[in-house]
Order: sequence, then C-alpha cells, then structure tokens
Amino acid sequence: QKEVEQNSGPLSVPEGAIASLNCTYSDRGSQSFFWYRQYSGKSPELIMSIYSNGDKEDGRFTAQLNKASQYVSLLIRDSQPSDSATYLCAVNGNNDMRFGAGTRLTVKP
Amino acid sequence: DTGVSQDPRHKITKRGQNVTFRCDPISEHNRLYWYRQTLGQGPEFLTYFQNEAQLEKSRLLSDRFSAERPKGSFSTLEIQRTEQGDSAMYLCASNGGANYGYTFGSGTRLTVV
Repeated sequence: QKEVEQNSGPLSVPEGAIASLNCTYSDRGSQSFFWYRQYSGKSPELIMSIYSNGDKEDGRFTAQLNKASQYVSLLIRDSQPSDSATYLCAVNGNNDMRFGAGTRLTVKP
Repeated sequence: DTGVSQDPRHKITKRGQNVTFRCDPISEHNRLYWYRQTLGQGPEFLTYFQNEAQLEKSRLLSDRFSAERPKGSFSTLEIQRTEQGDSAMYLCASNGGANYGYTFGSGTRLTVV
C-alpha cells in the first residue's frame, strides 16, 4: 500500500464547474496535510495546508480533512482553464513530506 | 527574499560522469530537502537537512549520491558515476518547521545519455 494515494486521472471538468480531488493516506500519526499544484514542466507550488478535521477555505479552494477516514480532499470552485495542472496531495512524515503521484486536472473552456 | 534557487536548470551528462547541483534555500528556513521526480510520479524524498546536519537519508540514496549543507546555508547534491536511471528532475525545497509546507525551487532536470 502506498503511503499517499490519489486517482491519477485525468479529471476533466468544464469551465465554471467544481473540481473534486481526493487523497487517502496510510499513516494515522500524520498531523499536517498539503495540496500542491504543478504545471507541466514546473515545480510544485503550495496552494493549501490543513491541520485539523473539517473544511478550510481559501478563495476558490476548499480543503477537507477527515483523520478518522484518513482522507483529504480539495475542491476547486468556478474552475478556470488556468487551473489545468497536476495536483499533488502531501502528508508529513517524521522528517519529510510524502507525496501522492498526483491527479491531472483539465478544465475545458 | 528571492525564494529557493537551484542551479543549473538543466544538465545533460554522459553516463559515468559526475554531476553536482546547488540549492540556495530561503534564508530564514533552517530545513532543506532534496527530492527526485520522474514523469507521472510525485516527488520522492532523498534527504533532509536541519541547519548543517543531515538528519535523514532515503534508501533511494545509493552510495553514488552525496549531499552537503556547509554552514547551514546552501546545499549541494552530487551524483557520482551517473546512470541512465538517474535521469529525473531534482527538486530542492525548504521550510521553517516540521509542520510547514515547502517552498520548492525550480528544479534541475538531469538527462543522462
């Protein structure tokens, strides 16, 4: 079992729709959870962090955490073509961060 | 604060040659990380420094790989006797504490021919 699992996609949504990205993790002791956006050929960019159960909203982005289910999600409202990228879920380990393989999102105009 | 800088951006080398990459983290960040990423995969952890101390190394880091962070500032990652399987994007990141997100550099793309 991988430490951080994501659906690889691709996930395709029309412009203006809500994109929903999901992630599960295996280490129950994890305390910090992150979403990164990675455009093709570029390095990852931190877009959201979440530390406690529930929802955290930042602009069009909402991160959701359920530690009991070991589940993290990212919702992107009013999706734009510029949101087309790979979204990486990451979970802190002992001294480092473990990443999923990413979900590729395409937002079609 | 100019973010995390990596040099070079691209490196093409012949199999068997040695290569060295440099990372300059955000100056206030005491933690520095090296990751490797191949196409279609997430970043894989290689090694981690807190200040000048290398505190963890992945099993992925074979004896051909070595990393340093003298004086707790910039870091270098050296790969000796490169192999085609070393071709990847090498990412450096830094943060100010264990539970903080990373700021990544632009990466060094290594191609071994």
